[in-house]
Amino acid sequence: EVQLVESGGGLVQPGRSLRLSCTTSGFTFSDSVMNWVRQAPGKGLEWLGFIRRKAHGGTTEYAASVRGRFTISRDDSKSIAYLQMNSLKTEDTAAYFCTRVQWGEATVGATNAWFDPWGQGTQVTVSS
Amino acid sequence: QSVLTQPPSVSAAPGQKVTISCSGSSSNIENNYVSWYHQLPGTAPKLLIYDNNKRPSGIPDRFSGSKSGPSATLAITGLQTGDEADYYCGTWDTSLSVWVFGGGTKLTVL
Repeated sequence: EVQLVESGGGLVQPGRSLRLSCTTSGFTFSDSVMNWVRQAPGKGLEWLGFIRRKAHGGTTEYAASVRGRFTISRDDSKSIAYLQMNSLKTEDTAAYFCTRVQWGEATVGATNAWFDPWGQGTQVTVSS
Repeated sequence: QSVLTQPPSVSAAPGQKVTISCSGSSSNIENNYVSWYHQLPGTAPKLLIYDNNKRPSGIPDRFSGSKSGPSATLAITGLQTGDEADYYCGTWDTSLSVWVFGGGTKLTVL
């Protein structure tokens, strides 16, 4: 069974750092692109970024809202993806979800991707 | 303000059909592939439709997706009270080089 389990959330003061973990099982992690999405209370989904597999350089892409503050990394030996969050702000308060990115055939120049499965999420509250 | 525009809410009676629109542009929906997610209250989102119109195993054929130009549509037929959830569309935006979600649509089954 494919599973993603987020951990590391909690209450943190503004300006501090926090690292979330996404522990996975049931699929070949090293072959997978891993992704983070968050949802502020009562709000919609916000994409944060993803990390490519090492075979494709292990490079990352980020949303503008978190670029430079958040860093996604991976440990293929442990099948874990991480989200390092620095200089946290009150507006970073949200439930944070990790997902696996899956890819399909696409016409030239098009991107055919989707997020499946999702973890259950971990809550991060930034408050003094 | 989301790059993809969805109606904030839709409603219909049990057994009826409802559609949820997702409006984008040439840099996202028109030239990439759309997926849909549903989120039951208090739970994590789950994949509902991928590759514009394909259903993962376990998703009933009451759910269907389509795309035309810069817009996509999710249709749900034979509405059930258990379909009450928030629904989100998503795709890659080639110009921004980011993934974008719609703002979400809350479905109420009256």
